[in-house]
Amino acid sequence: ETGVTQTPRHLVMGMTNKKSLKCEQHLGHNAMYWYKQSAKKPLELMFVYNFKEQTENNSVPSRFSPECPNSSHLFLHLHTLQPEDSALYLCASSPGEASGALAKNIQYFGAGTRLSVL
Amino acid sequence: GDSVTQMEGPVTLSEEAFLTINCTYTATGYPSLFWYVQYPGEGLQLLLKATKADDKGSNKGFEATYRKETTSFHLEKGSVQVSDSAVYFCALSVPSSGGSYIPTFGRGTSLIVHP
Repeated sequence: ETGVTQTPRHLVMGMTNKKSLKCEQHLGHNAMYWYKQSAKKPLELMFVYNFKEQTENNSVPSRFSPECPNSSHLFLHLHTLQPEDSALYLCASSPGEASGALAKNIQYFGAGTRLSVL
Repeated sequence: GDSVTQMEGPVTLSEEAFLTINCTYTATGYPSLFWYVQYPGEGLQLLLKATKADDKGSNKGFEATYRKETTSFHLEKGSVQVSDSAVYFCALSVPSSGGSYIPTFGRGTSLIVHP
């Protein structure tokens, strides 16, 4: 149990569907992250939130829309995706600079959502 | 920008063999360095870390030393087991202006250990 839970674990969707990925952390962390992991490619950082505020957006297409209602929950809303968006989407959390924790920059990952776009 | 380069895999070894996975980095600041491991069907998890030059991170028999002069953080283990089969990611992390930390990951190296 890593303390970061992602749902669903698997998702198949058509290009016209709208779906959402959910991430929840029970670690009291301040920062949350979305990553895309594709075969034979480096791990791609998509979005970063710190204290519910988006601090990084790495030129992600607008068909991916993040939402962070509080420090414990992070969503990734998906609409009109393309087949090349099929990948493993990983969520992570981190204590963050303001936490005072010794390990403030360690990433704690969920198990991911395996997304297939048909 | 910051980058991490690690050796291409897969690395295939027999049980009890010595393991080295090379990792080098470029960074504008003074990063912390990490090795993460990903087992099949799971997310990444921290294996070890080092925060300053000459620090040695160690865990579960794995070791890596922060070498600032060669900008390297090579992962080693003296005797691998079948259960070590996984994908290993080298990473660095620098603080961002937004108060969080921004990690940069290498491409990952797949390790396969045969009995």
